[in-house]
Amino acid sequence: QLQLQASGPGLVKPSETLSLTCTVSGGSISSNSYYWGWIRQPPGKGLEWIGYIYYTGSTYYNPSLKSRVTISVDTSKNQFSLKLSSVTAADTAMYYCARREAAAPWFDPWGQGTLVTVSS
Amino acid sequence: DIEMTQSPDSLAVSLGERATINCKSSQSVLYSSNKKNYLAWYQQKPGQPPKLLIYWASTRESGVPDRFSGSGSGTDFTLTISSLQAEDVAVYSCQQYYSTPYTFGQGTKLEIK
Repeated sequence: QLQLQASGPGLVKPSETLSLTCTVSGGSISSNSYYWGWIRQPPGKGLEWIGYIYYTGSTYYNPSLKSRVTISVDTSKNQFSLKLSSVTAADTAMYYCARREAAAPWFDPWGQGTLVTVSS
Repeated sequence: DIEMTQSPDSLAVSLGERATINCKSSQSVLYSSNKKNYLAWYQQKPGQPPKLLIYWASTRESGVPDRFSGSGSGTDFTLTISSLQAEDVAVYSCQQYYSTPYTFGQGTKLEIK
């Protein structure tokens, strides 16, 4: 059964870069059938799609975050990562990683999520 | 961007009763070439990540109880729970995948009355 687990620092200072990693187990990230994505949820608010990556390294980002976001993949470790630069308090959120089928643009399954707080 | 608006923001329903959650998109998510509505519903229980319930607006994900159903087309969609169970307490969100950026509704919190 495929599982995803996001991990990374829970506290990031304003203006710094948020870095998270999603570890995939129970399946290969190199499958040509899937994309691997990041979605976030600020406290008390709705979900926001950040972007996703294909195992070849092709990326697709939300234009609202594109100037600050980098998603990368490490197939040798079965992991993909998120970097969000120049963070502010507005970037405080639960960050989820999830899988998206190439032919099915919804997200399933989702990882447990990791809470990132931006504060000095 | 396609804006997704859910109503109500919160809902309290008695056990065994019907719960109805609405989702409206700012533009049609019906793809004319295949007649499919590019809309999904998710359930998020407290402390858990979202779980896919329904895709193509009305197709239940494998393992989802048949008391959950999705309907609607174009810009107006509904998630219905025919007979509310205690384990259905959650936040429900719709998502359009018609175009990027993919967008979600703000969520509807469902509680027991």
